[in-house]
Amino acid sequence: AQSVSQHNHHVILSEAASLELGCNYSYGGTVNLFWYVQYPGQHLQLLLKYFSGDPLVKGIKGFEAEFIKSKFSFNLRKPSVQWSDTAEYFCAVKKYGGSQGNLIFGKGTKLSVKP
Amino acid sequence: GAGVSQTPSNKVTEKGKYVELRCDPISGHTALYWYRQSLGQGPEFLIYFQGTGAADDSGLPNDRFFAVRPEGSVSTLKIQRTERGDSAVYLCASSPNPAGDIEQFFGPGTRLTVL
Repeated sequence: AQSVSQHNHHVILSEAASLELGCNYSYGGTVNLFWYVQYPGQHLQLLLKYFSGDPLVKGIKGFEAEFIKSKFSFNLRKPSVQWSDTAEYFCAVKKYGGSQGNLIFGKGTKLSVKP
Repeated sequence: GAGVSQTPSNKVTEKGKYVELRCDPISGHTALYWYRQSLGQGPEFLIYFQGTGAADDSGLPNDRFFAVRPEGSVSTLKIQRTERGDSAVYLCASSPNPAGDIEQFFGPGTRLTVL
């Protein structure tokens, strides 16, 4: 069965620190990859997505992620975090094409940024 | 425009009771998904509709769970004989196209508590 692993359950950083959240998936075929963010009290929002092309994708609020096919990874990065980035981050995978389209999510990484 | 809406936002019920959770997708979105998010976990797929029909219900945990989408827009998730283990946030998402390069848009969720 397909699965998504997020390596860190809770990450605590100070403002201006750099961020990297790990995500690995287990599926040998072509995939679409996503990072969703859930700010406190809000619903899941798309941060960025990869479908094809340049494996380095840029999202909102200065976030970026790199798809490394050989490592089955899609790590999320931000060079300098802000207090407002405090949220829970979810990596998700969808099998490319077909008629299904449901997402498989990791367990999430809670990010706390200290002001 | 209006996003995905879900009602109620919170539902408290007693063990053994029947509950209905409603989802209003974004207008024009043909694909609709239900997920369940337990504490400390990422969302887990339950069922996916393409139009009025359930295209994939492989994520429903057992036959106490059922969902409908009779007119291809609003969907209702129905849970019979609720158990304490059903307590979770139930998320609905919609998408214009399940297989294309389009993300899923999530609603705020319904928090179900079974006492």
